[in-house]
Amino acid sequence: GENVEQHPSTLSVQEGDSAVIKCTYSDSASNYFPWYKQELGKGPQLIIDIRSNVGEKKDQRIAVTLNKTAKHFSLHITETQPEDSAVYFCAASSGGGADGLTFGKGTHLIIQP
Amino acid sequence: EAEVAQSPRYKITEKSQAVAFWCDPISGHATLYWYRQILGQGPELLVQFQDESVVDDSQLPKDRFSAERLKGVDSTLKIQPAELGDSAMYLCASSLDVSEAFFGQGTRLTVV
Repeated sequence: GENVEQHPSTLSVQEGDSAVIKCTYSDSASNYFPWYKQELGKGPQLIIDIRSNVGEKKDQRIAVTLNKTAKHFSLHITETQPEDSAVYFCAASSGGGADGLTFGKGTHLIIQP
Repeated sequence: EAEVAQSPRYKITEKSQAVAFWCDPISGHATLYWYRQILGQGPELLVQFQDESVVDDSQLPKDRFSAERLKGVDSTLKIQPAELGDSAMYLCASSLDVSEAFFGQGTRLTVV
């Protein structure tokens, strides 16, 4: 089955700086890669996703890059703000969507004022 | 904005007791998922429904866990008997066309 590794487990950055979270996956058939943000006491919320026919996708301060050859994808957050503090999860699936998602273990992002 | 509703938000139960969680997906979403999230880890799929049918329950511990979605709308996840290791957040998610999963706020289960 799919295995998703996520690094780092904790990331502390100064407000206004950029944050990068990286994930690798094992199943070359995986074709859908979402990123979720989970705030304390809440369920995960999709913030951005990318499919295997695209190398990069941006949405305002958030971007995701995908390297299919190396089987890794990354989340980039620019101009970080206090409200970006949360746990971020990457995931992968081979079904093209939400079916069969395998999640990473999460990254606790801390924005220092 | 439509949301996935789950209840209860918190549940404390003694080991060997039965416990049940309820989920009401976003209206019109045919696909419903139950995930378990152990503290400090990512969610793990337990069971997936398409309408009232189980599509994937390969990771569901069937000796003690059961799930149903009788009318293809809301769903119940049951654990009987509960064990200490079942303490976790139980998340329900739904999807219209499996393009995106929307998660509820979860039920935090503590088994004592």
